[in-house]
Amino acid sequence: QQQVKQSPQSLIVQKGGISIINCAYENTAFDYFPWYQQFPGKGPALLIAIRPDVSEKKEGRFTISFNKSAKQFSLHIMDSQPGDSATYFCAAISSGSARQLTFGSGTQLTVLP
Amino acid sequence: NAGVTQTPKFQVLKTGQSMTLQCAQDMNHEYMSWYRQDPGMGLRLIHYSVGAGITDQGEVPNGYNVSRSTTEDFPLRLLSAAPSQTSVYFCASSWGPGGTEAFFGQGTRLTVV
Repeated sequence: QQQVKQSPQSLIVQKGGISIINCAYENTAFDYFPWYQQFPGKGPALLIAIRPDVSEKKEGRFTISFNKSAKQFSLHIMDSQPGDSATYFCAAISSGSARQLTFGSGTQLTVLP
Repeated sequence: NAGVTQTPKFQVLKTGQSMTLQCAQDMNHEYMSWYRQDPGMGLRLIHYSVGAGITDQGEVPNGYNVSRSTTEDFPLRLLSAAPSQTSVYFCASSWGPGGTEAFFGQGTRLTVV
């Protein structure tokens, strides 16, 4: 049973375009939602994270939008660059929980030059 | 700082063989975990530890053992390798429970033939 559902599985965007990746969760105890970025041959690295007390968080070209009532959150990459080509994972966890992250299935983003 | 170090980077095993994947971190993190990454399934939690001497099962623990004798090390043991354990394995550490950044190693690509 997948507690965090992620779409699309793959995404191709032109340079300068907007990349949008969506996630939905089921467990209402989740209250910390990070996004991880993974380059080929590397481990995932934290990109940006949000807590449900805010509806949006922006860091540079990366923005998380959060809809608590719909139990959905999304990553927007503005002005996408070829260097953004990577696999992106959304994740969720309960703050204070000893259990570790529950990940979505991942989105492979390709930004064409 | 080296961060999270995993060895080996690649390994081929025959069905039925046993081996240990090593993970060490130099950040004095209390929380450590093992994930496996399979295509289309994201990262799934195998085992985790909240401190030396304390371990617990994650989502997919069968066929794997762990121990945590020191804060720095968290080895993952495959008791009798099976082709279904062919995967990329990631170790991660964090200073606290859910809601804190997880730092990942570079992964071990394991093939069981």
